[in-house]
Amino acid sequence: AQSVTQLDSHVSVSEGTPVLLRCNYSSSYSPSLFWYVQHPNKGLQLLLKYTSAATLVKGINGFEAEFKKSETSFHLTKPSAHMSDAAEYFCVVSDGIKAAGNKLTFGGGTRVLVKP
Amino acid sequence: DGGITQSPKYLFRKEGQNVTLSCEQNLNHDAMYWYRQDPGQGLRLIYYSQIVNDFQKGDIAEGYSVSREKKESFPLTVTSAQKNPTAFYLCASSRGFQETQYFGPGTRLLVL
Repeated sequence: AQSVTQLDSHVSVSEGTPVLLRCNYSSSYSPSLFWYVQHPNKGLQLLLKYTSAATLVKGINGFEAEFKKSETSFHLTKPSAHMSDAAEYFCVVSDGIKAAGNKLTFGGGTRVLVKP
Repeated sequence: DGGITQSPKYLFRKEGQNVTLSCEQNLNHDAMYWYRQDPGQGLRLIYYSQIVNDFQKGDIAEGYSVSREKKESFPLTVTSAQKNPTAFYLCASSRGFQETQYFGPGTRLLVL
């Protein structure tokens, strides 16, 4: 079984300061890991994904995430927050097992507030 | 523009009524998925389809039905058996079954 825990349900940052969103996962397989962003009443947009290549993954809009197998973590960071980064962020794990439906397991989400 | 479209954006259901949510993609993706999102929660898988004319139940399929008669279309019907249908429904597709999933804009279903 796989699971994803996003350690903060809400994060508040000031514009121009760093953002850190924490994610821990568990999986019996070699997982693929994703971060998606969702703006209010919108679908999910892929920020970045890890698939066992480089452990530091760069995504869109200045975001990056580091895969740490020893810590089973996949934290998302951005050096300088922008007002447009205010949204909800989901950490997602995929076991890639066809028989299980290539199941995506979603974390509970972290809502980011950016203060001017 | 390539992408995934969902319609309608908002849908209202009366008691005992079946309603159908549309999902269309022009990405030539083989696999398609339906998820349900409740407030403050992550997404849960309702149904998925790896290929035309084939689909499988996800984690919360009860009260829902789907069809996959065309590669580009994967409609979801919320039946009267679904007692708590109010939610945000998201459709996704992927090029192959193990590829990255891309999401549509969603349909919000409300019960009158």
